[in-house]
Amino acid sequence: DIQMTQSPSSLSASVGDRITITCRASQRIDIYLNWYQHKPGKAPKLLIYAASSLQSGVPSRFSGSASGTDFTLTISSLQAEDFASYYCQQSFNTPLTFGGGTKVEI
Amino acid sequence: EVQLVESGGGLVQPGRSLRLSCAVSGFTFDRYAMHWVRQAPGKGLEWVSGISYNSATRSYADSVKGRFTISRDNSKNSLSLEMNSLRAEDTALYYCVKDARTIADYFDYWGQGTLVTVSS
Repeated sequence: DIQMTQSPSSLSASVGDRITITCRASQRIDIYLNWYQHKPGKAPKLLIYAASSLQSGVPSRFSGSASGTDFTLTISSLQAEDFASYYCQQSFNTPLTFGGGTKVEI
Repeated sequence: EVQLVESGGGLVQPGRSLRLSCAVSGFTFDRYAMHWVRQAPGKGLEWVSGISYNSATRSYADSVKGRFTISRDNSKNSLSLEMNSLRAEDTALYYCVKDARTIADYFDYWGQGTLVTVSS
């Protein structure tokens, strides 16, 4: 199974900050890497698919990039509504696997 | 509007069975793969199982393989998860999830979830 190692597990930031979350795959997954935002009591929301494609309706302050087996989610200017947990997910093969998550706190 | 509505969760004793259902609307159901994803209390997201658009391919997480069975009825726009030999570690909020493709890829719509509690 492909292991997804996400870091950091949590971070504290302020409105307006630029933050970066990293996900490392245990083997090659090409660009089959997706990012989700999850707020308590809500359904998770797709942000980025195929490593760097922005899902329709998602603000442009969210971006994704890839370098080998390392993937990055960047929020260029953190907004109040962005405080949530973020998860990466590989779709290169089954079983599909998620990273452990990153909780972004104020 | 895409809607995914889960049902069937509840309190069940260890070793017993439970069947989750998901009613979908707002998209052409038989064109997309579907999945179940769960979140245990205080834990992260875990993919449980997925099924291709035509039911030809079904996949499972190692943690549920041999105990859970995913199925779909394209004539009724419904997805199911039969869960047998339930364990305390299966306690979680179970989400019904739509894939963006015909086979397993990424998840573009999620339901609100149904809670399964396994306890004596």
